[in-house]
Formats: sequence, structure tokens, C-alpha cells
Amino acid sequence: SQTIHQWPATLVQPVGSPLSLECTVEGTSNPNLYWYRQAAGRGLQLLFYSVGIGQISSEVPQNLSASRPQDRQFILSSKKLLLSDSGFYLCAWTGLAGVVNEQFFGPGTRLTVL
Amino acid sequence: AQSVTQPDIHITVSEGASLELRCNYSYGATPYLFWYVQSPGQGLQLLLKYFSGDTLVQGIKGFEAEFKRSQSSFNLRKPSVHWSDAAEYFCAAPMGQNFVFGPGTRLSVLP
Repeated sequence: SQTIHQWPATLVQPVGSPLSLECTVEGTSNPNLYWYRQAAGRGLQLLFYSVGIGQISSEVPQNLSASRPQDRQFILSSKKLLLSDSGFYLCAWTGLAGVVNEQFFGPGTRLTVL
Repeated sequence: AQSVTQPDIHITVSEGASLELRCNYSYGATPYLFWYVQSPGQGLQLLLKYFSGDTLVQGIKGFEAEFKRSQSSFNLRKPSVHWSDAAEYFCAAPMGQNFVFGPGTRLSVLP
């Protein structure tokens, strides 16, 4: 069966520090991968998605970036965090490109920028 | 552009009461539609999905949803709410490689 992991579960970082959040998927190959952010009390904001290794599409211009170094690994990064980067970050995947499937979500990472 | 709206930001019901959460979509063709639930501090879990066929869809945890093309709606229902149903609920539809999510409805359950 497929599983999706996110690491770390929680993170507290000072303003201006770097960020690296990791998402890995097991039990599938060639997934589409997604990064979302939820600010407190808000809905889901799509940040990045990837349809393959090294292929990243950005939905919102900001100080975050994403990379996909391996088929089932998706990383969210920042060189300098802002206060507004605080939120709940969710990774998700879908399979079988070209076929409509539901998105499967990871457990999330709670990021607090102080 | 395709969109998904959830008119109710917050709904409060008493335990044991029935529930209906609204979802409206705008899409030219027959849409694929999903309902997700998110407990506090957790990821999203799929409750049910509609692809085609029977317009009444059964999901997990006793939830169901009905697709009504004439009303562009895909409302989520449960006949008797449990305290553990308190959560955030999202309606969603695929758009190309991505998904469009509604803003969510927060459900509170009174004892």
C-alpha cells in the first residue's frame, strides 16, 4: 500500500533562517507531488507541484522553492524565512498521470517562524 | 475557470442531529468531485468521491453526498453527527494536473 511521510512534524525557526521540509512517498512510482500551505484558519494554498523528477511548477511567487531530486521525494526550501511563512505545510500525491484520482495527503508539518 | 465554493464558513450542530455541508462548483463538463475531512493538526482524509454514475455517493464514517447537476452542487450529509465529526471539511475538484479546493467549512459539534 502507498504511504506518504513528512518530516519534521513541527518546526520553530527564527526569521531569516533557512528551511527544508521533506516529503517522501512509498509504494508507488511516478506520482504527481504537491506542496500546500494552510495559514491559521485559512484554506489550502497550492505552492508547488511536480509531475516528474526535476520538474517543478510554482503557483505562487514567494521566497519558497521546491525540488524533486528523486521520483518519490519532494522538498520545500527557503533561504530566508519570513514571519508570513508560518503555517501548516501539507504534501500530497496523485498517481497515474492522465487519470483522475484523488489526492492523498501527508500528516503535515507545523512551521512557526518567530 | 473551474471553481469550488463552500458558502458556510462555520456550522454548529448538536450531537445526534443531521448535517448538511454545501458545496457548489462551476465547470462546463461533468465534474469529478471529492470531499475531504481534516481534524485539527492532521492531514486531509478522503471521505468520498464522485466520478460518474449514481449521483448518491456513500463514503466513510457514515457520510454521503449527492451530485445535483441542475444545482451545480455536491452537498455532504450525515444523518446523525458524532462529537468526533468536529473538523474542517473541504470540497475539491481536479483541474488539469492540480486540484481546486473550496475554502472549507468548520464543523463544531455541541454535546
